[in-house]
Amino acid sequence: EAGVAQSPRYKIIEKRQSVAFWCNPISGHATLYWYQQILGQGPKLLIQFQNNGVVDDSQLPKDRFSAERLKGVDSTLKIQPAKLEDSAVYLCASSLEFGRVNTEAFFGQGTRLTVV
Amino acid sequence: KQEVTQIPAALSVPEGENLVLNCSFTDSAIYNLQWFRQDPGKGLTSLLLIQSSQREQTSGRLNASLDKSSGRSTLYIAASQPGDSATYLCAVRSNYGQNFVFGPGTRLSVLP
Repeated sequence: EAGVAQSPRYKIIEKRQSVAFWCNPISGHATLYWYQQILGQGPKLLIQFQNNGVVDDSQLPKDRFSAERLKGVDSTLKIQPAKLEDSAVYLCASSLEFGRVNTEAFFGQGTRLTVV
Repeated sequence: KQEVTQIPAALSVPEGENLVLNCSFTDSAIYNLQWFRQDPGKGLTSLLLIQSSQREQTSGRLNASLDKSSGRSTLYIAASQPGDSATYLCAVRSNYGQNFVFGPGTRLSVLP
């Protein structure tokens, strides 16, 4: 079974530039998450999708971050404009929809963003 | 609001020791709890998932227990090996919130 795919693995940009990350979840997983992990901390949820609908985006800085999941499969996360404090690893995860017996979450390798 | 803490923040042990990592959560109304491993510069690897109705789960040298009433979970690693060196994270999924809330992790070093 293929895992969660993310690209790119690394990205270095200057502040005020824009950047986009891509995620392809495990086939059949209705729920998709984007997490931000700052060095030395646990991941923090940015946004959660159920199919192509947003379940929770309460911690997404909507003035600069946006995400979409067209057709309920792949997802993109965009930052525009980037700030120095956005430097972090961005993790995508997927699971079966909430309510199923087994909702184990599987994570991708992450995208390490450095804003200079 | 669910909050998750992990103790200790870092742990260094000689190879062969048995060890326990601790996870505490503030809201006992959880759906499940999952333990992950994270190697430097890598994503998260799922180790064990415990449903709210379960008391423990085992996989190889790993055993995770759950005590909902006290808001605690422990990850027991038997006969530790240098390859176990990594950061271990626990994540809690609440009954009403569908996302995982993570602890800050425990950084484990197993010395040969």
